[in-house]
Amino acid sequence: EVKLQQSGDELVRPGASVKISCKASGYTFTNYAMYWVKQSPGQGLEWIGTIIPLIDTTSYNQKFKGKATLTADKSSNTAYMELSRLTSEDSAVYYCARHSYGDYWGQGVMVTVSS
Amino acid sequence: DVVMTQTPVSLPVSLGGQASISCRSSQSLVHSNGNTYLHWYLQKPGQSPQLLIYRVSNRFSGVPDRFSGSGSGTDFTLKISRVEPEDLGDYYCLQSTHFPNTFGAGTKLELK
Repeated sequence: EVKLQQSGDELVRPGASVKISCKASGYTFTNYAMYWVKQSPGQGLEWIGTIIPLIDTTSYNQKFKGKATLTADKSSNTAYMELSRLTSEDSAVYYCARHSYGDYWGQGVMVTVSS
Repeated sequence: DVVMTQTPVSLPVSLGGQASISCRSSQSLVHSNGNTYLHWYLQKPGQSPQLLIYRVSNRFSGVPDRFSGSGSGTDFTLKISRVEPEDLGDYYCLQSTHFPNTFGAGTKLELK
């Protein structure tokens, strides 16, 4: 069974960074890219970027360049997204999804930026 | 970026009835390889989005045949027949032909 298990919800201070994880199981991690999506409160979905774990290649939505950094650890089948210089605009739920038409999604991580 | 215009924003339906959601793109979604990368998702309250239809008209594994997708070029439709309670939620289209991928703003399917 394919599963994407994301890390827990985060409460972070403005200006700080946060790194969230997405552990894949049930398939060969390096056979698929992974993408990340932002859902702001009560809003729709925004594509952040994609990482290809096999070759450690990333592509980013221009809007999130400098904000999000995607990495992957092949030894642990885990993808990561670090968000930096957080503001209230970054408060949202963040999802990882397998890049085969988004056929499997993580459960989401709620990031709350507040002092 | 490709703009995905999804209508209606809200769609009241009766159980057992039919629903139709439109998604129009600001440019053709036909890729240079001939495929069209337009997909549909349902997000139930409090849950992650789930894939319903990929590449315009292909139902994902386990998706009932009450769901069907159609369209070409810039104009696409998701139809749901015999609406059941578990079909209620927010529906999104996504194009992944052009970089960056872009989603429609969503359609809320709710009971009339």
